[in-house]
Parts: sequence; structure tokens; C-alpha cells
Amino acid sequence: AQKVTQAQTEISVVEKEDVTLDCVYETRDTTYYLFWYKQPPSGELVFLIRRNSFDEQNEISGRYSWNFQKSTSSFNFTITASQVVDSAVYFCALSEPYNTDKLIFGTGTRLQVFP
Amino acid sequence: DTGVSQDPRHKITKRGQNVTFRCDPISEHNRLYWYRQTLGQGPEFLTYFQNEAQLEKSRLLSDRFSAERPKGSFSTLEIQRTEQGDSAMYLCASSSPTRQGHYEQYFGPGTRLTVT
Repeated sequence: AQKVTQAQTEISVVEKEDVTLDCVYETRDTTYYLFWYKQPPSGELVFLIRRNSFDEQNEISGRYSWNFQKSTSSFNFTITASQVVDSAVYFCALSEPYNTDKLIFGTGTRLQVFP
Repeated sequence: DTGVSQDPRHKITKRGQNVTFRCDPISEHNRLYWYRQTLGQGPEFLTYFQNEAQLEKSRLLSDRFSAERPKGSFSTLEIQRTEQGDSAMYLCASSSPTRQGHYEQYFGPGTRLTVT
């Protein structure tokens, strides 16, 4: 069965601190995609990144970086020099492209960044 | 086109009443998905359409729930005889294939349902 686990329910940091959000996934497929979405207080899910199972290169986008490790089935997300605007709930998700592409989400991590 | 839109944004209803939500996807997106998100949880898949065909329904979608996408454009989600347990955010997403052949989903703002 497919499953995404985000063990951190809530994280609080002070502005400019670095923070890492953990994501562990389970799937039997060899071909799959992993995602991170941000959900600010307004409620709309904002796409951040997609990574396919064949690409283990880490990715950096501005203050955001992602570490994908198939050996540990993890896809962790780091925000460098956090800002108050980063406060949101962050979801990790998994999809299997040959199975409807439906997204299987974790329970989310609420990040609060204090000034 | 400004993205996926959903109407209404909020709905308060009494237990036992029927409610209907609408989702307008991004133009020319051929796939449309419905998800439900309860407080403190991640979104859970309910159903999806490819054009007008409903191709998969989650076991979460009880007989009181029905979804349609009659012309392959907008979709409606109806809940009959609402129960308090139906209180949740209902999210719609649409997608079309990327150059790599994967369907990237774009989400709407959601409809928050409160059943009293």
C-alpha cells in the first residue's frame, strides 16, 4: 500500500533559522512521483516541487532545497533563513503515474516562523 | 485563465440537507479530481474524471455522494442527507499531461462545508 508519513506535526522557529521538514514514503512501485505542497492560512494548496523516482539529484530553488534518498524512502524539505511568510502547513505527497495520478498526502507539518 | 475556481467558498448547512459544490478547472485540462480534507489531516482522494468519464471512486465516497462532469468541463459534487461527519474542506484539482507525460495537478481554493 502507498503511504506518506510526516512525523513532525508542528515546528516553531525564529526568523532566519534553517528548518527541515521530514517526509518518509512507502510504495511498491518502481516508478512514482513525490511532491511538496504549501497550504497557507488561505487554504489553497500551492505546488512547490515534483521529483520522479529515477532522479535522486537534490534540488535547490532559492531558499528551498530538497533531499531525495531512495535508500531510506525519504524526501526531506529544507527552508534556509526562514521568513514569517513561510508560516504554513506543508504537505508531502506521492503519486503513481500508472495508477490515476491521484495524490496520496501525508498529514502535514505546520510551520510557524516567529519574527 | 486564472486557475481552478470553486463555488461556493463556504457552505453552512443543517444535517439532512443536500448540498452541491461546483468546480471549474483550468481550460483544456482533461483531468479533474476531488479531494476531501478534514481538520489536521492531509487531503484524501475522492474521485477523478478524464473528460466526462468518472474513472475512479474512493471507498470514502459513500452512496450519499455523487460527482458529475457532464460536458468534460466543470464538475459538481453533491452530498445528499448531509451528516456532521461530512464537515470538511472539499478541494478540486485539474491537470493535463506535461511534456514528460505526467499529470501535474493544480488545486482550487476549496469549499469549506460545515454541517450543523
